[in-house]
Parts: sequence; C-alpha cells; structure tokens
Amino acid sequence: DAGVIQSPRHEVTEMGQEVTLRCKPISGHDYLFWYRQTMMRGLELLIYFNNNVPIDDSGMPEDRFSAKMPNASFSTLKIQPSEPRDSAVYFCASSLSLAGSQETQYFGPGTRLLVL
Amino acid sequence: GNSVTQMEGPVTLSEEAFLTINCTYTATGYPSLFWYVQYPGEGLQLLLKATKADDKGSNKGFEATYRKETTSFHLEKGSVQVSDSAVYFCALSPLLTGGFKTIFGAGTRLFVKA
Repeated sequence: DAGVIQSPRHEVTEMGQEVTLRCKPISGHDYLFWYRQTMMRGLELLIYFNNNVPIDDSGMPEDRFSAKMPNASFSTLKIQPSEPRDSAVYFCASSLSLAGSQETQYFGPGTRLLVL
Repeated sequence: GNSVTQMEGPVTLSEEAFLTINCTYTATGYPSLFWYVQYPGEGLQLLLKATKADDKGSNKGFEATYRKETTSFHLEKGSVQVSDSAVYFCALSPLLTGGFKTIFGAGTRLFVKA
C-alpha cells in the first residue's frame, strides 16, 4: 500500500488567498483525521471523519477552515481566506476501527503551508 | 477528561546511552496507549503500543510497559543511536461511544550525539 497520500507537499501563498489541501487515506480505513502542527501549539486535531461523515470538528479554529470528505478515498481541507498565522504543517491520518476500539493512526507526510 | 503528559525536551544523549522518556496519562476506562515517532520532515509513525494493563510494547529496541497503578507508559531504550534522533509522542486512545480520537502528548525531542 502507498500509505496516506497528501498534496501538495509544500504550499506558499499570499494572505487572503484560498488554500486547498488534499488527502487520500489508506484503502479500507474508515477514519480520517486532519491535524495541524506548529512549534507553539504542537499537534492539534482539527477534525475527523468516520465513514465520510464529520464526527468532531471542535478543533477547527474558525469559519475560515472547512473540510470535506466526498468519498472514502478523498478529503480536502480548505482555508479561505488564508492568514499568516495559518502557517503550519498540516497532516492527514487514517485508521481502522476494530472491535469498537481505534487502531493505529497512519500519518501522511504532511503539507507545509506558508502564508506570506 | 483524557490527557497525556510527557517530559519536556529536548533530551540530549550520547550514542549508546540509556534513554527514558516519561509519560503519564489520565483517562476513564481502559485506553490503548501508544508511542509515535516523528523523524525530521516526516509524519508521525507508530513506534509501539499496548492495549491493556501490564502489556509491554516493543519495537526497534524501544520498550514501554502499560502501568495502570501508576498511570504511566514510559519509553525506554538501552542503547540509543544517532539515527534515533527524532520527536517522540506519547498518546492514548480512549473508547468512547459514538466516536473516538487519539490524545497526543506535546512531544519530546531527542538529540543523540555521536
């Protein structure tokens, strides 16, 4: 398996622009997570999906952030408009639920976002 | 609520030194416990895990034992290598009705000098 795939790997944009991050989870995994990592705040869970349905979006910082999962093999995280404080590494992860408990999360390589 | 506390870094060791990174947790019920490792420029990857009390997870010379009485899951390695330099995250996965999410610690950066 190719693992979790994220694109782009690097993104540099200007303040006010729309940014779309993409993720392809591991085939067969029923959970998908979006995280943000910064030096100041560490690893933060933004939102997660189960079977393509958003379950908990309490970590989404504000309305400028939105996430979708139109099918089991694709998810997007959109920031509109972007701001310099959104600069971070964004990770997508997927996992499989077995017997009512969560198994290991598999992380993608991340998208490094810089908003100027 | 559920939380994970791990020792602050950075931790700097010489090659072949003994490593301990402390991790304690607060949780209801019986969570699964994990150690993830993040190498420079990469995403997190599972290092080891334990799913019940007294279980020992091990991988690549690293070990951690699920201690329910002390609510701890300390990471140890007998002889570190330069290639072990990375950030280590302790995490727990609670079992919640209707959905669940892994709680990660803040991470501990390890530098190993040759």
